[in-house]
Amino acid sequence: EIVMTQSPATLSVSPGERATLSCRASQSVSSNLAWYQQKPGQAPRILIYGASTRAIGIPARFSGSGSGTEFTLTISSLQSEDFAVYYCQQYNNWPPWTFGQGTRVEIK
Amino acid sequence: EVQLVESGGGLVQPGGSLRLSCVTSGFSFSSYWMSWVRQAPGKGLEWVANIKEDGREKYYVDSVKGRFTISRDNAKNSLYLQMNSLRVEDTAVYFCVGGARFGDYWGQGTLVTISS
Repeated sequence: EIVMTQSPATLSVSPGERATLSCRASQSVSSNLAWYQQKPGQAPRILIYGASTRAIGIPARFSGSGSGTEFTLTISSLQSEDFAVYYCQQYNNWPPWTFGQGTRVEIK
Repeated sequence: EVQLVESGGGLVQPGGSLRLSCVTSGFSFSSYWMSWVRQAPGKGLEWVANIKEDGREKYYVDSVKGRFTISRDNAKNSLYLQMNSLRVEDTAVYFCVGGARFGDYWGQGTLVTISS
């Protein structure tokens, strides 16, 4: 099973600043990686798939990059609605889907 | 508008059973792999099981194999999860999810609590 590791666990950022979240896979997942955003009491929603393709309706301030084992989600200018928990998920070798443990983006 | 509405959660004693249901609308259910993903209180996401469009392939996380059964009824646009021999560690919000490789569509979840 591929293990996904996210860092940092918590990221404190001021509104308007850039946030950079990392996700590492225990073995190559090619570009078969998705990112989700989850707000308290809500279901996750897909942000990025294919490591860098934004899902429908996702603002351009969200961007994904990477391939193989190292991936990054960048939020270029944090808005108040972006403070949430973010998860990466690999789908190169499935089942199972495997998720990272999440990065909480909080207001600094 | 895409909607996935789960039901069937509740409080059950260890060793008990529950059947979760998910009724969907707004997308072509019969063309989608479907999954159950759970989230224990204050924890991350864990994939539980998925089922192919025609129901002929099913996969489970090791911790639920032999206890949980995923099924679907394409005529009713519905997904199910039969959960038997429930354990305290099965306590979680269970999300119904549409998508083969990743979660395109998510329901709001139903809470399953296993406690004596």
